[in-house]
Amino acid sequence: GAVVSQHPSWVICKSGTSVKIECRSLDFQATTMFWYRQFPKQSLMLMATSNEGSKATYEQGVEKDKFLINHASLTLSTLTVTSAHPEDSSFYICSARDLGGRGNIQYFGAGTRLSVL
Amino acid sequence: GQNIDQPTEMTATEGAIVQINCTYQTSGFNGLFWYQQHAGEAPTFLSYNVLDGLEEKGRFSSFLSRSKGYSYLLLKELQMKDSASYLCAVRPVSGGYQKVTFGIGTKLQVIP
Repeated sequence: GAVVSQHPSWVICKSGTSVKIECRSLDFQATTMFWYRQFPKQSLMLMATSNEGSKATYEQGVEKDKFLINHASLTLSTLTVTSAHPEDSSFYICSARDLGGRGNIQYFGAGTRLSVL
Repeated sequence: GQNIDQPTEMTATEGAIVQINCTYQTSGFNGLFWYQQHAGEAPTFLSYNVLDGLEEKGRFSSFLSRSKGYSYLLLKELQMKDSASYLCAVRPVSGGYQKVTFGIGTKLQVIP
């Protein structure tokens, strides 16, 4: 399957700082990428859909000024958690859709575990 | 709206066969996916069904019945490493072609 690289895998930061997470599609171009967060023992919650060259589409209840998304190229999307607080601590996972194969399958990055102190 | 139901937990014995069911009610249907997620890791793709019937891939098979809004994932010759959560996900037609809705996942424990 297609490979999606997500970096960093683990972040510990102080409250009030900003954290940037990168998501790259390594062997395919992704016009659309997705950002999820997952709390322990819960399902994936879609935060936003990242569209190359245009503004991201945020899900209801997700603050766009808090979670800045940039999709500047066909292989890179970034999520910046601005002024992070302890309640932002979570597992953030990006996903990219491979249009080249059957089913337009979403492949996931390895995830970023964010801990805000 | 979208609604996906699957059992929260299952236990099965190493070497056995286990079937994980998923039912869904969505506004339109354009494909069903199964993912495996080990604790603390991101989901990995297992299978995709868009037409009725069985898709087989090694020890894993996935079945779909669109008229019943039903799918199952079949795992054969269970191994200890198969202990993970299995997520059923559906892509509806409306609300954006790309959006996929995930179920809460079935946590499978394989015991010796």
